[in-house]
Amino acid sequence: GAVVSQHPSWVICKSGTSVKIECRSLDFQATTMFWYRQFPKQSLMLMATSNEGSKATYEQGVEKDKFLINHASLTLSTLTVTSAHPEDSSFYICSARGSNEQFFGPGTRLTVL
Amino acid sequence: AQSVAQPEDQVNVAEGNPLTVKCTYSVSGNPYLFWYVQYPNRGLQFLLKYITGDNLVKGSYGFEAEFNKSQTSFHLKKPSALVSDSALYFCAVRYTGRGGGNKLTFGTGTQLKVEL
Repeated sequence: GAVVSQHPSWVICKSGTSVKIECRSLDFQATTMFWYRQFPKQSLMLMATSNEGSKATYEQGVEKDKFLINHASLTLSTLTVTSAHPEDSSFYICSARGSNEQFFGPGTRLTVL
Repeated sequence: AQSVAQPEDQVNVAEGNPLTVKCTYSVSGNPYLFWYVQYPNRGLQFLLKYITGDNLVKGSYGFEAEFNKSQTSFHLKKPSALVSDSALYFCAVRYTGRGGGNKLTFGTGTQLKVEL
């Protein structure tokens, strides 16, 4: 299947700093990208959906000013966690959809100290 | 609204025995149904999907799932479990009709543990 990469795979940052996570579709063009958050032993919760060249659509309860999403090209989307706090520590997973299938990245473990 | 239920938090099975991981869904209209597997600290890997056609769907690593419209179920099965199958399994539904948003909705996951 198609490959979706995420960078970094893990990151540790201090409280109050911002962290950027990249999501790339390596061998297909992703018209839509999704960002999920997963807490330990829990399901994936959709945070936002982004279409290339337009503003992301955030799910209810997700702060758009805190979780900035940019989908500047058909192969790259970024999630920036601004002014991170310990409660933002989580596993963030991106997903990219091309013509019909949706593929998932390997995830990024964020730990905020 | 669409929803997915995975009634079992954990399923234990002996290696070589058949396994079943249960999933039921609720969606108006025709659903697209998926199974994904997640290994520790990894993203989701696609196993199989049902869109239309034959109710028995065969997927990766010997897994299969049966779509049952009357019971609104999509249980994951494998005839002979392997220790390496131990992982977290997610069922998901996507509704492409009006109001569905074309988004995947995931179940809460079922931890499969296969023991020797």
